[in-house]
Amino acid sequence: DTAVSQTPKYLVTQMGNDKSIKCEQNLGHDTMYWYKQDSKKFLKIMFSYNNKELIINETVPNRFSPKSPDKAHLNLHINSLELGDSAVYFCASSQELRSEQYFGPGTRLTVT
Amino acid sequence: GQNIDQPTEMTATEGAIVQINCTYQTSGFNGLFWYQQHAGEAPTFLSYNVLDGLEEKGRFSSFLSRSKGYSYLLLKELQMKDSASYLCAGGGNKLTFGTGTQLKVEL
Repeated sequence: DTAVSQTPKYLVTQMGNDKSIKCEQNLGHDTMYWYKQDSKKFLKIMFSYNNKELIINETVPNRFSPKSPDKAHLNLHINSLELGDSAVYFCASSQELRSEQYFGPGTRLTVT
Repeated sequence: GQNIDQPTEMTATEGAIVQINCTYQTSGFNGLFWYQQHAGEAPTFLSYNVLDGLEEKGRFSSFLSRSKGYSYLLLKELQMKDSASYLCAGGGNKLTFGTGTQLKVEL
């Protein structure tokens, strides 16, 4: 039983396209996150939702738009993809904002 | 601001003990986390310290000194499978991750 799942696992697309990544957790957690891990392995938070409400929104281009239809799902839509968006995107969840986080397997996005 | 520092790389021998240090300066503090990340995989939670002192969990222990802004992860009886990146993370409502310490365990 997968705790935090993401689809797709790999995504290869061209510059200028729009794409979405989906995330689901079956842990009953209240808080979900999106992280970006670049080629230097630096893991940086992008967004956090608590009970479907956006609570953390880092300095991320507005081409990135998260959506949480319910507590168990947090999707990430990216418009007008750029080369610099190539990275691994991790979804994570935690029981509450300050507790340990459980990560999904990651989505490796390659923009050509 | 948020600043987490840890060494970039370490090498150790199978069966030995290794200590991975982490210093932090964060606005707000709700504890210090350690995560393990194998190549091509997701980070997995190892430990959490919110009070000063040592927390032991099997072969892994983690220490925190809030007054010094310092933590370490201690790995005992190293195994080849412990070769991974170890991420220190801390902060207030928002976790800031260090860049990770790539540990290589050799025979």
